[in-house]
Amino acid sequence: EAQVTQNPRYLITVTGKKLTVTCSQNMNHEYMSWYRQDPGLGLRQIYYSMNVEVTDKGDVPEGYKVSRKEKRNFPLILESPSPNQTSLYFCASSPISAARNQPQHFGDGTRLSIL
Amino acid sequence: AQSVTQLGSHVSVSEGALVLLRCNYSSSVPPYLFWYVQYPNQGLQLLLKYTSAATLVKGINGFEAEFKKSETSFHLTKPSAHMSDAAEYFCAVSGGNTDKLIFGTGTRLQVFP
Repeated sequence: EAQVTQNPRYLITVTGKKLTVTCSQNMNHEYMSWYRQDPGLGLRQIYYSMNVEVTDKGDVPEGYKVSRKEKRNFPLILESPSPNQTSLYFCASSPISAARNQPQHFGDGTRLSIL
Repeated sequence: AQSVTQLGSHVSVSEGALVLLRCNYSSSVPPYLFWYVQYPNQGLQLLLKYTSAATLVKGINGFEAEFKKSETSFHLTKPSAHMSDAAEYFCAVSGGNTDKLIFGTGTRLQVFP
């Protein structure tokens, strides 16, 4: 089954404790992206990757890091989480051939609470 | 720069009534437009997309949307609401020199029996 898998689905942690949210897709997609969803703000892009070893900032990259060492994986790293990063996070992927008009496939989300 | 405005953060309809969710976009280039649906505790699923082939686009679950360039709109409609349509709906735009997908703030649809 074609899917985007995120882990963990839920996490409660404390300020400053480094964490990683993993994202993996099995569709051989080149394009992958991370979003955060906050009430009243919709989805905002954090980082995206056009291919292996190619990443770029989205609209809200501050406080986050990503890496793309393999095509299928695109982890999101919070080196020193803060309470304002409490949010619902989504990973998504799509084919590169027309990332602009290809629909993105989304994971089920990761709810992070930073105390 | 591209942007999307969804009018109405909450819409309530009775079961069997018409569903109309509004989306207006801003784009200096021909846009690609999408509607996504998010059910509780799930990720986003594609409902339909406009990519310039036809102005009236039919999607899944009986939804459709019409691209109106003169009004810069891409409103989502369904003739008869079902209880299972209760969810949050997002309009999104991409196109031009950007590989970004810009989302609206979402509209939560409630369906009453």
